[in-house]
Amino acid sequence: KQEVTQIPAALSVPEGENLVLNCSFTDSAIYNLQWFRQDPGKGLTSLLLIQSSQREQTSGRLNASLDKSSGRSTLYIAASQPGDSATYLCAVFSGSARQLTFGSGTQLTVLP
Amino acid sequence: ETGVTQTPRHLVMGMTNKKSLKCEQHLGHNAMYWYKQSAKKPLELMFVYSLEERVENNSVPSRFSPECPNSSHLFLHLHTLQPEDSALYLCASSPSFFRSGANVLTFGAGSRLTVL
Repeated sequence: KQEVTQIPAALSVPEGENLVLNCSFTDSAIYNLQWFRQDPGKGLTSLLLIQSSQREQTSGRLNASLDKSSGRSTLYIAASQPGDSATYLCAVFSGSARQLTFGSGTQLTVLP
Repeated sequence: ETGVTQTPRHLVMGMTNKKSLKCEQHLGHNAMYWYKQSAKKPLELMFVYSLEERVENNSVPSRFSPECPNSSHLFLHLHTLQPEDSALYLCASSPSFFRSGANVLTFGAGSRLTVL
């Protein structure tokens, strides 16, 4: 059974810092991995999608990496801003599960 | 209107009530999903519809009953719920049901359900 773990559960940083969010998964036979953002009381917004054959994806100040063999992904946020404050969710799609399996998320607070 | 729209945004119901959650997508997608998000727990997939046919049902209690009358609309009918069913219910859609795993889900804003 696929399990996804995100560490830390919560993170607070001053504005301008670069930061890394971690995601690990137990079954390395995945098709892709996605990072989502969720604002309080809102739905999820897809940030980055990494296919299993890729090592990383970039979008603006965000960079996501994937090491499938070790079951790990990181989301790097450069020059953090208060507007980046949200919960970040990692999800993997594995053929065995035939669905996205989500982590519990990392709640990020960027202090002005 | 574009994207995925969910109504109502907030719902409070008693354990004996019958209510429904509605989801509508204007993206031309063929697959729609219901997820449950409880506090401090990962999102749980409840139901998946592809081209109006239910393709996944993750052992959800029968007090939750989905309905997909067409590829743009998805309902979740609620009956005799329990307090532990209080959660954020999220609807999502994708161009097609995951086969290659290449599809990206678009989520609605969610319906916050409180069962008294």
